[in-house]
Amino acid sequence: EAQVTQNPRYLITVTGKKLTVTCSQNMNHEYMSWYRQDPGLGLRQIYYSMNVEVTDKGDVPEGYKVSRKEKRNFPLILESPSPNQTSLYFCASSRTTVRSTNEKLFFGSGTQLSVL
Amino acid sequence: DAKTTQPPSMDCAEGRAANLPCNHSTISGNEYVYWYRQIHSQGPQYIIHGLKNNETNEMASLIITEDRKSSTLILPHATLRDTAVYYCIVPTALIQGAQKLVFGQGTRLTINP
Repeated sequence: EAQVTQNPRYLITVTGKKLTVTCSQNMNHEYMSWYRQDPGLGLRQIYYSMNVEVTDKGDVPEGYKVSRKEKRNFPLILESPSPNQTSLYFCASSRTTVRSTNEKLFFGSGTQLSVL
Repeated sequence: DAKTTQPPSMDCAEGRAANLPCNHSTISGNEYVYWYRQIHSQGPQYIIHGLKNNETNEMASLIITEDRKSSTLILPHATLRDTAVYYCIVPTALIQGAQKLVFGQGTRLTINP
């Protein structure tokens, strides 16, 4: 089954303790992206990757890192989490990134992160 | 890049057609209109997209006006499971030639029994 898999689904941590949220897709997609969702602010893009070893900042990249060493994986790294990073996180992928091409995004089921 | 305007909320009776409007008056000629929905806190789910012709799939129909400045998503026989936030999106271009979807506040659709 074609899917985007995120882990973990729920995570509670403390300030400053490094963590990684994993994301994997099995569709051989070039494009992957991370979003965070906060009440009243909608979904905001954190980072995206257009292919292996190609990543770029989205709208809210501060405090996050990503890597794209393999096509299928796109982990989100919080080196020193803070309470303002408490949020619902979504990973997404699509086949390509070309503008005006009819490419749809596939989303993971989300990771609810709480930083105490 | 085009922005979209949607009503914040709508109600529909179960079994009836739900018609969700969207305005995108600044859309360019080669830009697609996408619809996604998000049920509670699940990941957004793709519904349908189109360029200028009306589109239909197993989930919904998309009607795009001839001038392309607005569109309507139609759920022909709404069920309680269609209660969700529906997002109408015209992708935003990135400098690198990529596109990204900017999710606004969407329309919160409530299907009533």
